[in-house]
Amino acid sequence: QKEVEQDPGPLSVPEGAIVSLNCTYSNSAFQYFMWYRQYSRKGPELLMYTYSSGNKEDGRFTAQVDKSSKYISLFIRDSQPSDSATYLCAMSRETSGSRLTFGEGTQLTVNP
Amino acid sequence: EPEVTQTPSHQVTQMGQEVILRCVPISNHLYFYWYRQILGQKVEFLVSFYNNEISEKSEIFDDQFSVERPDGSNFTLKIRSTKLEDSAMYFCASSEFGAYNEQFFGPGTRLTVL
Repeated sequence: QKEVEQDPGPLSVPEGAIVSLNCTYSNSAFQYFMWYRQYSRKGPELLMYTYSSGNKEDGRFTAQVDKSSKYISLFIRDSQPSDSATYLCAMSRETSGSRLTFGEGTQLTVNP
Repeated sequence: EPEVTQTPSHQVTQMGQEVILRCVPISNHLYFYWYRQILGQKVEFLVSFYNNEISEKSEIFDDQFSVERPDGSNFTLKIRSTKLEDSAMYFCASSEFGAYNEQFFGPGTRLTVL
């Protein structure tokens, strides 16, 4: 079983739609959860991070963590064509210095 | 805004040759990392580095790989004898000493082994 599973998509939505991206994981030791955005052939860009369970909101983005279900989500409200990218979930067991374990990424296209 | 930089952006080499990939982490960060991403696959951890020594490495990071912080700003990844399967994007990342493990990535070096 993979440590982190993410539906690779592709996911195509119209502009203005609410997008839901999800990851599941098997290792209950994961404590820190992140979402990255990656444009083609570029480095991952950190979007959101959360610690343990709960919600975090930043503008149009909301990250949710449900540790009891080993499930994390990223919601994008009022999606824009500029949101078109690959979204990667990542998680780690410990704080500073710990390796990130990534999902495979979900490719999102927002159509004007 | 401070960012991680990497050079070169693209490196082409012959199988068996040595390559050195260079990174300048964010200046006040204390943890440094290398990851790689083979085309179409997920980002994979290679190694983390703190206080001038390796703090963690993956099973990918075998004796062909080494890392070094030769001065106060650069962080390098050396591959001693490249193989075809080393062809990938290599990302450097850095993070602060603190409560969260937010890692900031550079733009990557695309390594092509012929």
